[in-house]
Amino acid sequence: RKEVEQDPGPFNVPEGATVAFNCTYSNSASQSFFWYRQDCRKEPKLLMSVYSSGNEDGRFTAQLNRASQYISLLIRDSKLSDSATYLCVVNFGNEKLTFGTGTRLTIIP
Amino acid sequence: EPEVTQTPSHQVTQMGQEVILRCVPISNHLYFYWYRQILGQKVEFLVSFYNNEISEKSEIFDDQFSVERPDGSNFTLKIRSTKLEDSAMYFCASRGPGPNQETQYFGPGTRLLVL
Repeated sequence: RKEVEQDPGPFNVPEGATVAFNCTYSNSASQSFFWYRQDCRKEPKLLMSVYSSGNEDGRFTAQLNRASQYISLLIRDSKLSDSATYLCVVNFGNEKLTFGTGTRLTIIP
Repeated sequence: EPEVTQTPSHQVTQMGQEVILRCVPISNHLYFYWYRQILGQKVEFLVSFYNNEISEKSEIFDDQFSVERPDGSNFTLKIRSTKLEDSAMYFCASRGPGPNQETQYFGPGTRLLVL
């Protein structure tokens, strides 16, 4: 069975802090990895794709560890607008995306 | 920036009724998807569609469900006889050629409530 596991949280973090999420996936042959962000009652929006070499986009850094089958997301200098649910998403080599349950993050002023 | 659109934003229906959810994918995209999210649960794949046929479907996508691309722009999901457990947010997504061709872009969703 192809699964994506995340800690659902919630994570309550003061503004300006650094926060990290991890996600594990079940299939070593997985092909594509993503972090999506979902605000309450809204659609998932792509935050960033995750590459084996790791990648950074401003305050956000994503890492992929294929040997251990986990993906991480690091948010530096967190802002109030970062409050959302962060979805770990894997494409196991077929047409569909498999979503984790999401990790809820609240940034506290 | 082009985006996926969906109508209606909300739909309330009686159990046993048919509903059609509509989506307009991003114009040059070739792959289309429906997902659903029951309140408080994870997003789940329903079906993918390419070249005018279903390319993959989940076990949720039973005979009550069907998809269609009736013209060059719309992509619809029909539920023939709705059940209470069909109440969920339904998201359409599309992806296409280009540098981000693996990325699926989601519409704002249709919230379906079956009474």
